[in-house]
Amino acid sequence: EPEVTQTPSHQVTQMGQEVILRCVPISNHLYFYWYRQILGQKVEFLVSFYNNEISEKSEIFDDQFSVERPDGSNFTLKIRSTKLEDSAMYFCASSLWGGYSNQPQHFGDGTRLSIL
Amino acid sequence: GQQLNQSPQSMFIQEGEDVSMNCTSSSIFNTWLWYKQDPGEGPVLLIALYKAGELTSNGRLTAQFGTTRKDSFLNISASIPSDVGIYFCAGQGGSEKLVFGKGTKLTVNP
Repeated sequence: EPEVTQTPSHQVTQMGQEVILRCVPISNHLYFYWYRQILGQKVEFLVSFYNNEISEKSEIFDDQFSVERPDGSNFTLKIRSTKLEDSAMYFCASSLWGGYSNQPQHFGDGTRLSIL
Repeated sequence: GQQLNQSPQSMFIQEGEDVSMNCTSSSIFNTWLWYKQDPGEGPVLLIALYKAGELTSNGRLTAQFGTTRKDSFLNISASIPSDVGIYFCAGQGGSEKLVFGKGTKLTVNP
């Protein structure tokens, strides 16, 4: 069964450094998402992306965050200057369509980001 | 903002017992989804519900989309040890984002 893959599985970074988290969505999907889960808390939406544009973002997704689809397969999340509170599991998800389409979002196994 | 109240927070049951968990919201959702998360892994989709009143099964799992569009429940029948994990409800209403509940941690004693 097709799946969303994320790399690396664990990233350790010094505070203030830039980090790029990578995702390969399911191949025929058109909508891509990033979520995060701080340890012991619920999963929170960060951003959705369609047709090479951000379609929706949350308050968490401030100017330190950016997303990109640099080629036909990868979808990346960049954090420019990491803070301690950015430590979390980051999940990528994709869906065939978005919104009212009755197409569910499928999640990858996540990247654990640890900021020192 | 939109919030989901998921209960119970945790459950400890014996193998073979049935389980029920639910989510409620003050907001209306157009889609309800139930995911299971194992340690160190991402949420795995169990059941997706798209119509108010819809009742859907996936093996031993049954979920319903409440008629008010503000609630959903998930039942697991005849639990087995591999049902252990954290179960999340998620709602989607008029936008791309999923709003997640805080999860129900299920422990099954053999």
